[in-house]
Amino acid sequence: KAGVTQTPRYLIKTRGQQVTLSCSPISGHRSVSWYQQTPGQGLQFLFEYFSETQRNKGNFPGRFSGRQFSNSRSEMNVSTLELGDSALYLCASSLQGYTNYGYTFGSGTRLTVV
Amino acid sequence: SQQGEEDPQALSIQEGENATMNCSYKTSINNLQWYRQNSGRGLVHLILIRSNEREKHSGRLRVTLDTSKKSSSLLITASRAADTASYFCATDPNTGNQFYFGTGTSLTVIP
Repeated sequence: KAGVTQTPRYLIKTRGQQVTLSCSPISGHRSVSWYQQTPGQGLQFLFEYFSETQRNKGNFPGRFSGRQFSNSRSEMNVSTLELGDSALYLCASSLQGYTNYGYTFGSGTRLTVV
Repeated sequence: SQQGEEDPQALSIQEGENATMNCSYKTSINNLQWYRQNSGRGLVHLILIRSNEREKHSGRLRVTLDTSKKSSSLLITASRAADTASYFCATDPNTGNQFYFGTGTSLTVIP
């Protein structure tokens, strides 16, 4: 079956702009989590959506937002981009969203803010 | 920070040798998972060990968990060049739907 698909793979944006990243989970999976990965901070949890509802949110400013659609596809949006937002953004898909099972990650979107 | 920490940060071994990496964490957990990440790519789930388990095997992988010491180790036996990657431990601090990832161990297997 198809894996987790993240689009686009690469993005270059200018400070102050906004960006939307997309994640299509594995068919049948209802949970999508988002993580930010940077060399300095490592992998940090952004938020998790299950059946169109945000269930959990990490410690990121309100510029980071997300949503999930009825087909479980998820988008995350970052407004007023800062240089520090440059990172690899990973989404992870799981059936129910509970950590007692493994998550399947996408290949990520590499965002560069200039 | 509730992040775990892997040790060592970097490890370089010859093909055929065993590789051991350790993970320490700070809070009680439901389970601990190990993931592999090839350069700049997504994470691949390797193995999950529950808090009531002490050891688990999957192919060439062996994971141990010591909840009293809040630590885990991942052993890769008979390493191959294809094992070259970063390895992360991930813990869930009883919230049920969120991971805290460790800082990662970068493993290089020299052919």
